[in-house]
Amino acid sequence: TQLLEQSPQFLSIQEGENLTVYCNSSSVFSSLQWYRQEPGEGPVLLVTVVTGGEVKKLKRLTFQFGDARKDSSLHITAAQPGDTGLYLCAGAGSGGSNYKLTFGKGTLLTVNP
Amino acid sequence: ETGVTQTPRHLVMGMTNKKSLKCEQHLGHNAMYWYKQSAKKPLELMFVYSLEERVENNSVPSRFSPECPNSSHLFLHLHTLQPEDSALYLCASSQEGGVDYGYTFGSGTRLTVV
Repeated sequence: TQLLEQSPQFLSIQEGENLTVYCNSSSVFSSLQWYRQEPGEGPVLLVTVVTGGEVKKLKRLTFQFGDARKDSSLHITAAQPGDTGLYLCAGAGSGGSNYKLTFGKGTLLTVNP
Repeated sequence: ETGVTQTPRHLVMGMTNKKSLKCEQHLGHNAMYWYKQSAKKPLELMFVYSLEERVENNSVPSRFSPECPNSSHLFLHLHTLQPEDSALYLCASSQEGGVDYGYTFGSGTRLTVV
């Protein structure tokens, strides 16, 4: 069973602060994705990282895939209230499945004005 | 309409009722999924349909019955549910073989079993 551990589970910060959330596993994934879920809505895909060591930027969000493709981080610079939500990481397995994702429990981020 | 649409958004049902959740996608995807999201748990994969055939049933109780009549529609038929089945039920779609491109999720159905 491939498990993804996300930390921290909860994070409450003030507007303008920086933060990093983590997604770790003992398993290797062919790719890793980050989603953001707002209350009452489904998760929305933010980014997919595929290559070990890859770094992708999406405005104030920076995503990194670990060299061994077992972990990932999401860094937000100058957080804003609109960044509030549940951040989920999901790994695509390297066990031959071409459709299945494994999700972490998520990090619930609250950015206070 | 684009994206993945789920109806109803909210559903309250008694333990003896029968109801159905509907999911529709117009993205041209050929894989569709049902997930259950409960508090403090990771998203739980329930069923996967690829090219309209069920390819995975993740040990889901028989009181949940999926149906995929075509590549654009997915249903989840519910009967004699238990209170612990109360959760957010999410439908998603993707391109078969293209999981690296991610899922597109619907907004979910918030189910309460009383």
